Amino acid sequence: DTAVSQTPKYLVTQMGNDKSIKCEQNLGHDTMYWYKQDSKKFLKIMFSYNNKELIINETVPNRFSPKSPDKAHLNLHINSLELGDSAVYFCASSLRTSGSHEQFFGPGTRLTVL
Amino acid sequence: GENVEQHPSTLSVQEGDSAVIKCTYSDSASNYFPWYKQELGKGPQLIIDIRSNVGEKKDQRIAVTLNKTAKHFSLHITETQPEDSAVYFCAAINDFGNEKLTFGTGTRLTIIP
Repeated sequence: DTAVSQTPKYLVTQMGNDKSIKCEQNLGHDTMYWYKQDSKKFLKIMFSYNNKELIINETVPNRFSPKSPDKAHLNLHINSLELGDSAVYFCASSLRTSGSHEQFFGPGTRLTVL
Repeated sequence: GENVEQHPSTLSVQEGDSAVIKCTYSDSASNYFPWYKQELGKGPQLIIDIRSNVGEKKDQRIAVTLNKTAKHFSLHITETQPEDSAVYFCAAINDFGNEKLTFGTGTRLTIIP
């Protein structure tokens, strides 16, 4: 009954590969997010989707492409992985229409690029 | 855009003592200030929040204060316990803007038994 789930939890891959991280929420929320947390624990927004529409797109290399097939899912595809992409990626969701800004985070995906 | 600074980056306190974490923000239009707690190996979780029309809010052992004029807000944890050990993040958002939550740089709090 996990609220926000991400797969995989760990991802180890070689430079230059393409990989995807999946996120699903069962909270009935209308907005989903991807965050990147680096080794210093800095938490930075990458993308946000509201009802499958992109609403926040920070300065992220276009090797990163989010895809939202429906309101409950927001996947992150990364092409041509680089060493600097190593980080923990968090998916989150919120219910924008409720007026609450509380974001519910998934457990994170630790990506290691070798 | 919004910039949130957080201090200290690390904090160690004896069990039972109080801990205070401070944040400043730059955008005077920000009107909602949440605090998140991140335990080891987990995602951040909201523990308390405050809106700009309120100066202080308390929930059991944790409290948050906001000084809009100075653009400061602080988290206070009293009677600290070992399970309070975690990384704490402050954040700010202008919910009339693009609704992007800007996080502070985090404080690693360690409670010494």
